[in-house]
Amino acid sequence: GEDVEQSLFLSVREGDSSVINCTYTDSSSTYLYWYKQEPGAGLQLLTYIFSNMDMKQDQRLTVLLNKKDKHLSLRIADTQTGDSAIYFCAESSQGNLIFGKGTKLSVKP
Amino acid sequence: DTEVTQTPKHLVMGMTNKKSLKCEQHMGHRAMYWYKQKAKKPPELMFVYSYEKLSINESVPSRFSPECPNSSLLNLHLHALQPEDSALYLCASSQEGARLTDTQYFGPGTRLTVL
Repeated sequence: GEDVEQSLFLSVREGDSSVINCTYTDSSSTYLYWYKQEPGAGLQLLTYIFSNMDMKQDQRLTVLLNKKDKHLSLRIADTQTGDSAIYFCAESSQGNLIFGKGTKLSVKP
Repeated sequence: DTEVTQTPKHLVMGMTNKKSLKCEQHMGHRAMYWYKQKAKKPPELMFVYSYEKLSINESVPSRFSPECPNSSLLNLHLHALQPEDSALYLCASSQEGARLTDTQYFGPGTRLTVL
């Protein structure tokens, strides 16, 4: 079945760039998403990319998509302590969202 | 406005209680979803309503009963729950009938504890 894989942890220093990686299996996915979840909160849609795009930039966020390798990444420039959260990659598969296990980003001052 | 609201924020209930979770959106979305999220895990889909009709039930036990009174509201009725049902329950909505291209917007969740 469809599967989405992410590394579980990432630790960076404040001001550095963070890169969170994700691989997925469903080549028919139309949209790929990044959601952010802070402790005890719901999921906040950060950004998404259409499968015919290679890159999307939105302020400090850059999404790169390598469709051939089924690899998605989220780069956060100038990472701040407020960016500490769990980041979920998700693919849209047949109308449903398939989530990765989430990457916990820790930002050290 | 991309807001999905959920009430209550927290709920503690005994195994014999009956309670309901509520979800509301005023974005004109026609698909609404319930997810269950255990600690340190991704959300798991429970139910999907599309145009107020139940379109997906992911083999959820009958002690969870969804209801969609109108296109803006989604309820989840709880009865005779087990302690392992304790989790964060997330509601989401998307514009059309849960198509491939629909982006889902999530509410803040209800933290449920079953004693």
